[in-house]
Amino acid sequence: AQSVTQLGSHVSVSEGALVLLRCNYSSSVPPYLFWYVQYPNQGLQLLLKYTSAATLVKGINGFEAEFKKSETSFHLTKPSAHMSDAAEYFCAVSETSGTYKYIFGTGTRLKVLA
Amino acid sequence: GAGVSQSPSNKVTEKGKDVELRCDPISGHTALYWYRQSLGQGLEFLIYFQGNSAPDKSGLPSDRFSAERTGGSVSTLTIQRTQQEDSAVYLCASSMESQGTDGYTFGSGTRLTVV
Repeated sequence: AQSVTQLGSHVSVSEGALVLLRCNYSSSVPPYLFWYVQYPNQGLQLLLKYTSAATLVKGINGFEAEFKKSETSFHLTKPSAHMSDAAEYFCAVSETSGTYKYIFGTGTRLKVLA
Repeated sequence: GAGVSQSPSNKVTEKGKDVELRCDPISGHTALYWYRQSLGQGLEFLIYFQGNSAPDKSGLPSDRFSAERTGGSVSTLTIQRTQQEDSAVYLCASSMESQGTDGYTFGSGTRLTVV
């Protein structure tokens, strides 16, 4: 079965610093991979997705993620953190390629320091 | 509608009572999903609807949980004889298709507290 591991339940960065949120997955087939963001008292919003096209995926709000098959990773980055980026971030993988069920990581709460 | 709508946004209930949670997906979205988000944990899959049928109910924690969808639109998640461990945020999501490529659109969730 698929699984997703997000390293670091809490990450703090200074405003203007690089944001790096880690996600590793287990998969025996090429997966579909997603990053979602959740602001307080809101649902999850899709940031970006990888569906076997370009390995570097650009999303909303200046975020991007790179699919690295050799490392089974899909880390989320942003060159310069903004206060408004403070939220919880979830990595998800489709259970098997082309199916509906997503397996979510346990989330990483990003704190941005002024 | 413009987004996925869930009601109520908050629900406090006494242990042993039944509760109904409602989800109104985006118009035209054929696939609908329920997930549960417990404190400090990721999202736990509960059930998936394609149209009015539920081909995958494997995530429902017990027979106290049930869900239905009518008219290919609104879905209701019912929890009978609620227990304190049912306290969580219940998230509904919908998607245009069921092949998993587009990502889900989530509602804001229902925060259920069982006292």
